[in-house]
Amino acid sequence: GAVVSQHPSWVICKSGTSVKIECRSLDFQATTMFWYRQFPKQSLMLMATSNEGSKATYEQGVEKDKFLINHASLTLSTLTVTSAHPEDSSFYICSASARPLNEQFFGPGTRLTVL
Amino acid sequence: RKEVEQDPGPFNVPEGATVAFNCTYSNSASQSFFWYRQDCRKEPKLLMSVYSSGNEDGRFTAQLNRASQYISLLIRDSKLSDSATYLCVASNYGQNFVFGPGTRLSVLP
Repeated sequence: GAVVSQHPSWVICKSGTSVKIECRSLDFQATTMFWYRQFPKQSLMLMATSNEGSKATYEQGVEKDKFLINHASLTLSTLTVTSAHPEDSSFYICSASARPLNEQFFGPGTRLTVL
Repeated sequence: RKEVEQDPGPFNVPEGATVAFNCTYSNSASQSFFWYRQDCRKEPKLLMSVYSSGNEDGRFTAQLNRASQYISLLIRDSKLSDSATYLCVASNYGQNFVFGPGTRLSVLP
C-alpha cells in the first residue's frame, strides 16, 4: 500500500504551547487528507478533512481556531494544536487518499502529551 | 443510532478457529466499504476493500449486502497475529469515511 509519514511520532509539551504535526504522502499525491484523534480504548474520531489548496472542513464540535490545518501541497498537510491543554493529550493520526471513495492510508500517528 | 455499527466483541477464539464479524451501515448512499485492522497503540492498516460481488484474500473473505446494508468479514484458520481490533468503514461519495467503533479479536494459543 501507499506510504504516509507523520512527524513527530510523539511530543510532550507544556500547557499553553502550540504543537505542529506534519503528515506526508511519500509515494502518491493525496488530494484529500484527514485528521483523526483517538483517546485510549475509544474509536477514531474524525476532526477535519482537507483538500489541497482549500480550507479544511471541520467536524462538528472541533474548534477550527484551535486546530489549524494547512494542506499546502498534494503531499503535505499540517495540524497545529494551538495553546494546547492537558485535555488535548491524545493520539493524533492523519490519513491520505488519492481520490474520493478511495481507501485511506494512515500515518503512524503522533502521541501528544500536554503537561 | 450510529452510522456504522459493529459487533461489540471482544471475540476470544482459539488458534485455527473461523470467526466472522458483522457490520451494518445506515446511510443507503454509502458507496465504498473497507475493513481495516488496528493493533494496540498503532494506526489503522487497510485489510481489504469490500466489493459488491464479495472478495477473498487468503484467509480473509469480505462480503457486502447492499439490500440489507450489511458487511461481513470472515477469517479462517485464525492465527495469533490476527489479534487486533477490526474496523468497518463506509464511505459516501463527497463525504468522509465513517468508521465503526471496531470489534476486538483475541486469538488464543
